[in-house]
Amino acid sequence: QLQLQESGPGLVKPSETLSLICTVSGGSISSTTYYWGWIRQPPGKGLEWIGSIYFSGSTHYNPSLKSRVTISVDTSKNQFSLKLSSVTAADTAVYYCARIGPRCSGGSCYVPWGQGTLVIVSS
Amino acid sequence: DIQMTQSPSSVSASVGDRVTIACRASQGISRWLAWYQQKPGKAPEFLLYAASSLQSGVPSRFSGSGSGTDFTLTISSLQPEDFATYYCQQANSFPLTFGGGTKVEIK
Repeated sequence: QLQLQESGPGLVKPSETLSLICTVSGGSISSTTYYWGWIRQPPGKGLEWIGSIYFSGSTHYNPSLKSRVTISVDTSKNQFSLKLSSVTAADTAVYYCARIGPRCSGGSCYVPWGQGTLVIVSS
Repeated sequence: DIQMTQSPSSVSASVGDRVTIACRASQGISRWLAWYQQKPGKAPEFLLYAASSLQSGVPSRFSGSGSGTDFTLTISSLQPEDFATYYCQQANSFPLTFGGGTKVEIK
């Protein structure tokens, strides 16, 4: 059964770079069918898509975050990662990794999601 | 970018009620729409894809309809475990976007 697990620091200082890794188990990240992505949710607010990556390394980002976001993939480790630079308190959120992309047919295209990891931006 | 607007933002209902949530896209997305359910402190759970296709294991009281710009999620007979927040998400194109959410509360 495919599972995703986020890992990384739970506390980041303002102006620094937030770094998270998503480890994929029970399946290969190198599937030609799926995109892998990051979504975040500030406390008490809705879901915001951050960006997605294909196993080849092709990326797509939320325009509102594009200047600060880098998503990369390491197929040898079956992992993909998120870097968000110059963080502020507004970047405090639960960060989820998920299998998520456009125009993918079938329910498997939308699952699974990781359990989420809370990242607090504070000095 | 495609904006997704959900209504209402919250609804109060009783067990056994029929609940309908609307989701509108700012431009046509064919049937590339997904629905999620989220309970407090938990990751979203995927419910439906392609506007009306039920994910395996999701109870049949959940149904979806629509195409183009207007979509609905219906819970035919609300159960205690259905009190949660529901999100729609357009899967037509990047950037992917979510609706603002609809909280289904106990009346």
